[in-house]
Amino acid sequence: GEDVEQSLFLSVREGDSSVINCTYTDSSSTYLYWYKQEPGAGLQLLTYIFSNMDMKQDQRLTVLLNKKDKHLSLRIADTQTGDSAIYFCAEIPNQAGTALIFGKGTTLSVSS
Amino acid sequence: DAGITQSPRYKITETGRQVTLMCHQTWSHSYMFWYRQDLGHGLRLIYYSAAADITDKGEVPDGYVVSRSKTENFPLTLESATRSQTSVYFCASSDPGQGDGYTFGSGTRLTVV
Repeated sequence: GEDVEQSLFLSVREGDSSVINCTYTDSSSTYLYWYKQEPGAGLQLLTYIFSNMDMKQDQRLTVLLNKKDKHLSLRIADTQTGDSAIYFCAEIPNQAGTALIFGKGTTLSVSS
Repeated sequence: DAGITQSPRYKITETGRQVTLMCHQTWSHSYMFWYRQDLGHGLRLIYYSAAADITDKGEVPDGYVVSRSKTENFPLTLESATRSQTSVYFCASSDPGQGDGYTFGSGTRLTVV
């Protein structure tokens, strides 16, 4: 079947904006999520967006949703070294019940 | 403390042995999940449970067994461990319809030698 697709790596300089992109599989997914995983740690919910929204902003984070193209993006403004982590896009496709289906994750590396 | 806890944090076992990973949550969430995380594969769903005594297979269930006799516990058993089951295992819980309701444990790093 189709997969949730993300680019694997992103490298930015401290202070720049980071944009992490994701293509999901099910246009009827109700919620779409971004999770953050720091080295050796579990997954932390960063933000989520309801499918009837186009954009959600939360401090330095902006989520954009394009349902037509099944495209989700996460923008981190003023990226800091503490933002270095793996970022996972996730959805709940109708056929998966209530289970989250994840992309493979994007490793964000922030250099000072 | 409230939350979701996994034990053990680290485990080394031998091929062919049975091993059980524990997961306990204190929110009374109805849903619980087991994922494995492997380099190049991201997180893949092993099993999930909608309520006590209700479990269902995910993407990669072979070689694993789960049970859910109580709402708060969802143990994962590897009946006869293989090296391909070396991975980091994450447990999660949620309530249906709650957009922010997925909470993950800290993970169990399992090495099969």
